Amino acid sequence: KQEVTQIPAALSVPEGENLVLNCSFTDSAIYNLQWFRQDPGKGLTSLLLIQSSQREQTSGRLNASLDKSSGRSTLYIAASQPGDSATYLCAVKGSGNTGKLIFGQGTTLQVKP
Amino acid sequence: SAVISQKPSRDICQRGTSLTIQCQVDSQVTMMFWYRQQPGQSLTLIATANQGSEATYESGFVIDKFPISRPNLTFSTLTVSNMSPEDSSIYLCSVAGTGETQYFGPGTRLLVL
Repeated sequence: KQEVTQIPAALSVPEGENLVLNCSFTDSAIYNLQWFRQDPGKGLTSLLLIQSSQREQTSGRLNASLDKSSGRSTLYIAASQPGDSATYLCAVKGSGNTGKLIFGQGTTLQVKP
Repeated sequence: SAVISQKPSRDICQRGTSLTIQCQVDSQVTMMFWYRQQPGQSLTLIATANQGSEATYESGFVIDKFPISRPNLTFSTLTVSNMSPEDSSIYLCSVAGTGETQYFGPGTRLLVL
C-alpha cells in the first residue's frame, strides 16, 4: 500500500530565504508525482508535475526533483516571498494510472516579511 | 487546463439530512474524482465517476452513504447522505487534464451540526 510522507509538517522562514520541502513515498512504482499548493479555505492549485521518467521540473522560482529509486521528491523554492505562504501537498499516482492520487499530509509554510 | 466549478461552496446542515454537491467541468473528461479533506487532514479519494457506469468506491466509502451521478462528460454530483458531524469536511471534485496534470475544484465546505 502506497504511503506518502511530507517533512517538515510546518516551516517558518524569513522572506528571501531559499527552502526545500520533502516528500517520500514507499512504493517506487509510480506513474507520476505532483506538487500542489493549498491556500487556507481554498482548493488545490497544481504547481509541478513530474512524470516517472523525469528527474525534475521547473516553473519560475520552483524546482521539483524526483528520485524514484529512493522514493523521494523535493520542492525547492527560491527567494521565498510572503505570498508563498500556504500548505504544499505532494501526491503520487500509481503505476496503473487509475487516476487515483495518494496525498501526503502537507507542509504548511509561513514566509515572514 | 481544466476549469472546475462546484456548488454549493459551503453549507451548514443538520444531522440526519443529505446534501448534494455539484461539479461542472469546462471540457469533456472521461473520469471525475471525488475527494474528502477532513479538518487538519490531507485528501482522501472517495470514488471515481465514469460516465455511463457505476462509480468505483475506495475502501471505507460506500454507495449508500455517498451516491454519485455522472450523467454526462462534464458534470457529476456527490451526495452525502444521512449526515453526522463526522462528515464535516471539504469535498473536492477533480479531473485529469492534458499531460496528466490533476485539477481540482474550489471545494465544498460542509459543516454538520
